[in-house]
Amino acid sequence: GEKVEQHESTLSVREGDSAVINCTYTDTASSYFPWYKQEAGKSLHFVIDIRSNVDRKQSQRLTVLLDKKAKRFSLHITATQPEDSAIYFCAASKGYNKLTFGKGTVLLVSP
Amino acid sequence: AQTIHQWPVAEIKAVGSPLSLGCTIKGKSSPNLYWYWQATGGTLQQLFYSITVGQVESVVQLNLSASRPKDDQFILSTEKLLLSHSGFYLCAWSTGENTLYFGAGTRLSVL
Repeated sequence: GEKVEQHESTLSVREGDSAVINCTYTDTASSYFPWYKQEAGKSLHFVIDIRSNVDRKQSQRLTVLLDKKAKRFSLHITATQPEDSAIYFCAASKGYNKLTFGKGTVLLVSP
Repeated sequence: AQTIHQWPVAEIKAVGSPLSLGCTIKGKSSPNLYWYWQATGGTLQQLFYSITVGQVESVVQLNLSASRPKDDQFILSTEKLLLSHSGFYLCAWSTGENTLYFGAGTRLSVL
């Protein structure tokens, strides 16, 4: 089955800097790649996603890049703020109903 | 607007006791429903999904079962809890376009 690896377990940045979280996947048939944010002790919230028909998607300070050849996708956060501190999970899916998550990256944004 | 409600918020249960967790979605007819489990500090493991009333698909075997008795309700249960069942249980819904929307979760401690 699909395996998703999240390369950074922890990422520390200063407020205002950029942060990049990288993920790789194994199944070439995967076509949907969402990102979720989990604040301490809370549930997951959808952040942004990208589908395999594009290689870049931006929403305000967030950009997702997809490299299908390398089976790699990444989340870029610009102008980080302390409220961006959370665990970020990437995921991959090749169809409905089965989403495979990475292990999560703890992002710490210090003032 | 759609709302998802999970109950209870938290449970402390003894090994070998039964368990029932619930999830209700309002404002969306015929959603796809999911149960996920997150070990403390861990990634998310999909347990079950359901695309219609009365039909539930199991993704992993963890001595748990799920049922969908109504269009807007999803139940997770077991007759005998194990220590390994401890963790954070998340219910989610989607429209079939892959984006998952999670409930607030139930934190389960098995002692």
